[in-house]
Amino acid sequence: DQQVKQNSPSLSVQEGRISILNCDYTNSMFDYFLWYKKYPAEGPTFLISISSIKDKNEDGRFTVFLNKSAKHLSLHIVPSQPGDSAVYFCAAPSAYNTDKLIFGTGTRLQVFP
Amino acid sequence: DADVTQTPRNRITKTGKRIMLECSQTKGHDRMYWYRQDPGLGLQLIYYSFDVKDINKGEISDGYSVSRQAQAKFSLSLESAIPNQTALYFCATSAPGTSGFGGQFFGPGTRLTVL
Repeated sequence: DQQVKQNSPSLSVQEGRISILNCDYTNSMFDYFLWYKKYPAEGPTFLISISSIKDKNEDGRFTVFLNKSAKHLSLHIVPSQPGDSAVYFCAAPSAYNTDKLIFGTGTRLQVFP
Repeated sequence: DADVTQTPRNRITKTGKRIMLECSQTKGHDRMYWYRQDPGLGLQLIYYSFDVKDINKGEISDGYSVSRQAQAKFSLSLESAIPNQTALYFCATSAPGTSGFGGQFFGPGTRLTVL
């Protein structure tokens, strides 16, 4: 049972344009959602999070939107830069043990000049 | 120096061999985790430990065992490696109650190939 889903395995965007990465979830009890970023040969690093009581959280070029009724969140990167090329994972803490994270399958973003 | 280190970074082994992957951390965190990443499957939790005396199975623990030798060290063993255990393995650490706020910190990973 995949509780956190990323249906797009890859995305290609031109530099300067907007990148939109999507994530769907099935468990309405999730309290927080996170995005992690992973470069090749490195471990994932935390990027941004959002509480379930909010619908938007912004940090510089990165904004996460949450639509609870649709059980959907998205990560917007504006403007996209070549250094943003990486794999992005959405994640949520387990409703029963918040120290455990449930990860989506990841979306590989490529930003080309 | 890296806060979470993993050794080895790459390993090629044969079916049936015993393999140990090691993780060390200098963050002083109580919680430690082992994940594996397969293409198209994201990160899946193998085992986690909330302190030296507390070890728990994750979603995909079959074929794996762990040892928490100290607060700073958490090892993952494959007693008899098989080809479908070929994957990227990540260790992570966190302080209690911080995973939901981005508080899990990952090591650089170990690429394991089982022939």
